[in-house]
Amino acid sequence: GEDVEQSLFLSVREGDSSVINCTYTDSSSTYLYWYKQEPGAGLQLLTYIFSNMDMKQDQRLTVLLNKKDKHLSLRIADTQTGDSAIYFCAEGGSQGNLIFGKGTKLSVKP
Amino acid sequence: ETGVTQSPTHLIKTRGQQVTLRCSSQSGHNTVSWYQQALGQGPQFIFQYYREEENGRGNFPPRFSGLQFPNYSSELNVNALELDDSALYLCASSLGGANTGELFFGEGSRLTVL
Repeated sequence: GEDVEQSLFLSVREGDSSVINCTYTDSSSTYLYWYKQEPGAGLQLLTYIFSNMDMKQDQRLTVLLNKKDKHLSLRIADTQTGDSAIYFCAEGGSQGNLIFGKGTKLSVKP
Repeated sequence: ETGVTQSPTHLIKTRGQQVTLRCSSQSGHNTVSWYQQALGQGPQFIFQYYREEENGRGNFPPRFSGLQFPNYSSELNVNALELDDSALYLCASSLGGANTGELFFGEGSRLTVL
């Protein structure tokens, strides 16, 4: 079946790096995604990675993909209080839909 | 700014009523999908429309239905509302669904069923 797992909470200090991990099940996903959701808001597309890549960097964000282990991670460098939010990992499903994890709540302490 | 707008932002209904939620997709995006996000959960796929035809559906009953129009707008209709339908409903716009790399969401419509 299709399933995405994430740890539920992560707490870091301002200025540190944050690493949010995710495992997925469908190895046929063309893309894997990271979304950010602030309280009361919709989903903001942060970044995505094509399944034949193993790394993608975009300013403070680095995505690592281990296709063999079906493991995806998002690293946020120099984490700021404005990065506090819920981060969702998502894989592409068989119907062209997204399958989301339950989200990781990132708390950034000053 | 994703170019995807949803209305209304909040609404309250009672059990048994019907509701229509609206979405305006990004111009040129021929695929729209709808998701339900219950409190504390990740979004769950309801269905997807491509060029005005439903081309994918998640595990939701037939009382959840939709329409897509040629002007990049779409609707989600829910009949016979139940308490468990209380959730944030998100619309997503893309050129071809999750296999295209760019799938943008609106801010959502928060439905409360009493």
